[in-house]
Amino acid sequence: DSGVTQTPKHLITATGQRVTLRCSPRSGDLSVYWYQQSLDQGLQFLIQYYNGEERAKGNILERFSAQQFPDLHSELNLSSLELGDSALYFCASSVVGRATNTGELFFGEGSRLTVL
Amino acid sequence: QKEVEQDPGPLSVPEGAIVSLNCTYSNSAFQYFMWYRQYSRKGPELLMYTYSSGNKEDGRFTAQVDKSSKYISLFIRDSQPSDSATYLCAMVRSGYSTLTFGKGTMLLVSP
Repeated sequence: DSGVTQTPKHLITATGQRVTLRCSPRSGDLSVYWYQQSLDQGLQFLIQYYNGEERAKGNILERFSAQQFPDLHSELNLSSLELGDSALYFCASSVVGRATNTGELFFGEGSRLTVL
Repeated sequence: QKEVEQDPGPLSVPEGAIVSLNCTYSNSAFQYFMWYRQYSRKGPELLMYTYSSGNKEDGRFTAQVDKSSKYISLFIRDSQPSDSATYLCAMVRSGYSTLTFGKGTMLLVSP
């Protein structure tokens, strides 16, 4: 158990809909990262927050947005969903804003999104 | 060309075999290199972390980095069925905070 909690574990929805994925980081971790994992693209970095502020942005679509709340939990909002958005969405956390010290991110078990 | 290339496998070996997993990368700015292991239906977990060129050993696992060739490897000795998982290489540029992952290699170790 990494200590990172993600909900929901599974989500099935229709094209055009909007969903919210939630992540609670490990106790004491200030940084939250969102990754998307698909068979053809692998693990793709979406966005990072550090202590409530956006720290880095990756390949995140404009239809997607995220935020980190004062209690450090984070939410990833996906809107106008398309079939291609079906994937595993992982949240990870780390103590510091940089992953360079040991490269250790603690991943949750993911939220599997299926868009029909 | 993707920044990090990794053969997706699957790689099937018998129990006790020595396994070699590899990644190549194109960006010489990558300075820190990691291997993550991901079991089915689980999130990735850090297995090994290296910085400099050379070898780093941890039990049955050895991570090797060759920065001149932009090539990293993970060796698993005496492989066990419990090693069956997807192995992802990851790397990060100095001064940056986000990891770039390979697509992962699926390893199957049969008893």
